[in-house]
Amino acid sequence: NAGVTQTPKFRVLKTGQSMTLLCAQDMNHEYMYWYRQDPGMGLRLIHYSVGEGTTAKGEVPDGYNVSRLKKQNFLLGLESAAPSQTSVYFCASNDFLEPRGQGYTFGSGTRLTVV
Amino acid sequence: GEDVEQSLFLSVREGDSSVINCTYTDSSSTYLYWYKQEPGAGLQLLTYIFSNMDMKQDQRLTVLLNKKDKHLSLRIADTQTGDSAIYFCAEERGKLIFGQGTELSVKP
Repeated sequence: NAGVTQTPKFRVLKTGQSMTLLCAQDMNHEYMYWYRQDPGMGLRLIHYSVGEGTTAKGEVPDGYNVSRLKKQNFLLGLESAAPSQTSVYFCASNDFLEPRGQGYTFGSGTRLTVV
Repeated sequence: GEDVEQSLFLSVREGDSSVINCTYTDSSSTYLYWYKQEPGAGLQLLTYIFSNMDMKQDQRLTVLLNKKDKHLSLRIADTQTGDSAIYFCAEERGKLIFGQGTELSVKP
């Protein structure tokens, strides 16, 4: 089925460990986004990409890196995980075609706990 | 999202109407969205409104947009227990900027 797939769905890390979250979309969307969700704070944009080979910082980029080597994949990396990065991470993609309301597609989320 | 504000909680009785409010800051935003998130689940798009509209109705949902005051609201008629969830408003500026989310609790 077409959509946005996030892997893994759950992960527990120790402080200082590194990991990469993968987001894959098969809709040929140009734009991709990584958000984190924390209680009472909504979803905050970490990084985003407007096309293959491009990345840009969002609202809360510190401690994260991203890469968009292939159009269909957007990777979020944590080089040295900290407890403050415990969160639920959502990936999204968009084509900015009309009707615009259907354009954003979200993955089902990755629940990350850093102990 | 620090630029989009919502109240955190709303409690209503089953059958009543719910009104969830949102204020945003960028008058150039072209689209505004409402998303629903049930416990442990992802985001479900409920509805959206284009900035040149004042109102949009979709079955039990009514969206009102006051562009002058940068105020958006979502009214759910005949609220049911299945409507209990967190509701997020979001404005689009090339990317979605979300509010903090309003947790709607529906009591029987």
